[in-house]
Amino acid sequence: EPEVTQTPSHQVTQMGQEVILRCVPISNHLYFYWYRQILGQKVEFLVSFYNNEISEKSEIFDDQFSVERPDGSNFTLKIRSTKLEDSAMYFCASRGTGSTEAFFGQGTRLTVV
Amino acid sequence: DAKTTQPPSMDCAEGRAANLPCNHSTISGNEYVYWYRQIHSQGPQYIIHGLKNNETNEMASLIITEDRKSSTLILPHATLRDTAVYYCIVRVRSGTSYGKLTFGQGTILTVHP
Repeated sequence: EPEVTQTPSHQVTQMGQEVILRCVPISNHLYFYWYRQILGQKVEFLVSFYNNEISEKSEIFDDQFSVERPDGSNFTLKIRSTKLEDSAMYFCASRGTGSTEAFFGQGTRLTVV
Repeated sequence: DAKTTQPPSMDCAEGRAANLPCNHSTISGNEYVYWYRQIHSQGPQYIIHGLKNNETNEMASLIITEDRKSSTLILPHATLRDTAVYYCIVRVRSGTSYGKLTFGQGTILTVHP
């Protein structure tokens, strides 16, 4: 069964450093998303991406965040200068055209120290 | 997207049916009811969705009231592996929202032996 793959599963970084979280969506999907979940809190929408551009973003997704689809398979989330409060699970999701359900990866646990 | 109300937690005995309620009294005509679940901080997993008719798939059944103001997710024979947080989400099926999901706190379902 096709699945969304995220790497790494766990990343520890120092405050102020840049991190790139990587995702390989399901191969024929065209809609891509990033969500995050701070420990003990709700899953929160960050950004959606379609046709090589951001289609919607939340107020969490400020100038410190960016997304990119550098090639035909990867979808990345970059945090330019990490803060302690960026520590969370980050989930990538993808959705196919004509499909209504999103498929989520297993997440990357980001710990900022 | 319409707001939903779910009980914070429920228990169910293994092998019994688990019936998870959701209220969405402000749902509009073009909004669907979606159910996802999240097992112990893994990525959310799609379960089922519906508009107004009852739906069934290999995982669960979805019963939507005639006025569409509430619904019930039924896991017919719950197993220990069904212990998870269950999210009821109401949203339009497509269009400008590009499939963004707004998660609430969900219902923590605990299946016990």
